[in-house]
Amino acid sequence: NAGVMQNPRHLVRRRGQEARLRCSPMKGHSHVYWYRQLPEEGLKFMVYLQKENIIDESGMPKERFSAEFPKEGPSILRIQQVVRGDSAAYFCASSPPSGAGYTFGSGTRLTVV
Amino acid sequence: AQSVTQPDIHITVSEGASLELRCNYSYGATPYLFWYVQSPGQGLQLLLKYFSGDTLVQGIKGFEAEFKRSQSSFNLRKPSVHWSDAAEYFCAVGAGTASKLTFGTGTRLQVTL
Repeated sequence: NAGVMQNPRHLVRRRGQEARLRCSPMKGHSHVYWYRQLPEEGLKFMVYLQKENIIDESGMPKERFSAEFPKEGPSILRIQQVVRGDSAAYFCASSPPSGAGYTFGSGTRLTVV
Repeated sequence: AQSVTQPDIHITVSEGASLELRCNYSYGATPYLFWYVQSPGQGLQLLLKYFSGDTLVQGIKGFEAEFKRSQSSFNLRKPSVHWSDAAEYFCAVGAGTASKLTFGTGTRLQVTL
C-alpha cells in the first residue's frame, strides 16, 4: 500500500509562471490537506479538501492559489503567476473518512527563480 | 485561535543522554496533540499522538510524551538518544483527527558522538 505520493519532488519555475503540484492520497483516504513550509519555519495549513469539495480554505492566500480534489485523479494545488515568496516546501497529507490521523507525503520543493 | 510554542529552536545532546523537547499549546477545547519528526529533505513522520486517556503516551523509536493540561504542555522525551535521532521535531495541535493542524516552529536536534 503506497503512501501519500507527491510529484514532482522538485519544481523550478520562473517568476510569472504557473506551478501545479500533485498529491495522490493513500488508498482508501478521501481527505486531503495541503501545508506550506517556508524555510526555517513550521508547517502552515493551507486547505482541506474532500472529493470534489473544499472543506476549509482558511489558510489559502486569497489570490493566485487554488486547490481541487476531483472525483478521479490526484489533488492539485495550483499557483498562478508565481513570485519568489512562493518558494517553499509544499506538503500534502491524507486521512481516511473515519479520521484516525493522517499521513504526510514527502513534499514538493518549489523554487521560483 | 490555537497556537503552539516550541521554545527551543536548537538543542544539542550527546549520544546516550536523555532528551526533553518542550511544547506548549493554546487551545480552547480538548486538544488533539501530535509530535512529528522531519529529516532533512523529507516529509513528516508521526512519532506519537494524544487524544484522551492516559496522559503518558508511548510512540515509535522509543519516544514518549506527557500531556499536562494544567501546564498546557505536551513535552517529548527519550531516555537515551541515538545519533540517528538528529532531525527536526514538530509539535502540533488540532481539533480532531481529521482537521487542520497548527504546528510549532520546530526544534532542531543535533546529536554529538
